[in-house]
This record gives sequence, structure tokens and C-alpha cells, in this order.
Amino acid sequence: NAGVTQTPKFQVLKTGQSMTLQCAQDMNHNSMYWYRQDPGMGLRLIYYSASEGTTDKGEVPNGYNVSRLNKREFSLRLESAAPSQTSVYFCASTRGLAGSDEQFFGPGTRLTVL
Amino acid sequence: GNSVTQMEGPVTLSEEAFLTINCTYTATGYPSLFWYVQYPGEGLQLLLKATKADDKGSNKGFEATYRKETTSFHLEKGSVQVSDSAVYFCAPTPRDSGAGSYQLTFGKGTKLSVIP
Repeated sequence: NAGVTQTPKFQVLKTGQSMTLQCAQDMNHNSMYWYRQDPGMGLRLIYYSASEGTTDKGEVPNGYNVSRLNKREFSLRLESAAPSQTSVYFCASTRGLAGSDEQFFGPGTRLTVL
Repeated sequence: GNSVTQMEGPVTLSEEAFLTINCTYTATGYPSLFWYVQYPGEGLQLLLKATKADDKGSNKGFEATYRKETTSFHLEKGSVQVSDSAVYFCAPTPRDSGAGSYQLTFGKGTKLSVIP
């Protein structure tokens, strides 16, 4: 039981390049989330997927897209990376609503955009 | 919307000292309250939670009580250890159904360093 896994662990991009961050969970959770963590800012929700087949914007969605590929997988895409997207990205999942269940987090992807 | 004010760090304590990290929040409705901990180089993990007024969450010697009247959920530990060095996040989380339940807010985090 691996929990929540994320790939890659580290990535360096040049401005304007694109990439997809991958996330998978093996806990049969319904809801999945993407956050970014910046110094002094805590975690901010980018997008979430309440259930398979649905996605919605969070607090800071601009510059990102997501895909809920199936119940297990939730990917985050940067179409044209900008230095402001330099951050640590965390994927998380919950069995049901986050207000009722704990969130399980992946180990994070550290992204640098030059 | 929801917001959370968390004691700013960093906090440096000697081993066996008493720890308090303050957390106050504003929220619509009646949130569940969580403390998450992040050890160096890792993702966040649940430390403890409380889901109704006057509930006390506890784990690994840490405690926090849901104070509805003061909208607070302060984290305490009577005797910290070096292994408690980490960043701690307070997270009031809506329990409503629908889109409101995804207004997920975390405090900015409090970095704790415990020295021998």
C-alpha cells in the first residue's frame, strides 16, 4: 500500500516549457487535490476533483490544467511554465469530503522554472 | 470565506520544554479542525483532529481543543523532543456538502526546532 505517489520528485524547466505532474493513490479514495506550497504562504489549493469525472478550480488555478484520468490518477499540467510557478507541488486525496476525512499527501514535486 | 491565523515561527525550544502554537480561524458554518505536520523533505500528514465543540484531539503527546466560542484550536505538547522538529499547519475544513466543502484553507505553517 503505497498511499499517494507523485512523479517526478524534482524538475527544472525553462520559461515557456510545458510539463505534467503525475499523482496516483491506491486507497480507493474519491476526492483528489493539487496544492502548491510557497515560503510563508502555507498550502494553496490549485484544483480538486471531488469524484472521478469531475474537476473544479481552487484558490489559484491560473496557468494550470488538470485531468482526472480515472479514480486513481489525477495529473496537473503546466502548459507554459513561468518563474512564478516555481514551487513545491503536493497531491492529496480523501475518501470522502475533506471536512470529514483526513487528507493523505504525496511526498511532493519540487519545481523550478528558470 | 475561511481564513486561519497561525502563530508565526520559527520557534526554537530546548528538549522537554512546553510547546504552544496558536491557531484562530474564521469560517462559515461549523468546520472540522485539523493539525497537520510536515517533517523535512516530506508531505504533510495528519497529527490530530477535532470535529465538534469541546472535542480534544490528541496524538503523540500533542493535544488541541476545539474552542467554538473563541474560534481557536491551539496545539500544545507538554515536553517536546528533538524528533518533533517539523512544520505544523492548522487547517479548519468545512463540513458542508457541495462546493463549499472544498474551500480548503491552511495556515502558513509554524516551523519548530527542538534542540538537545
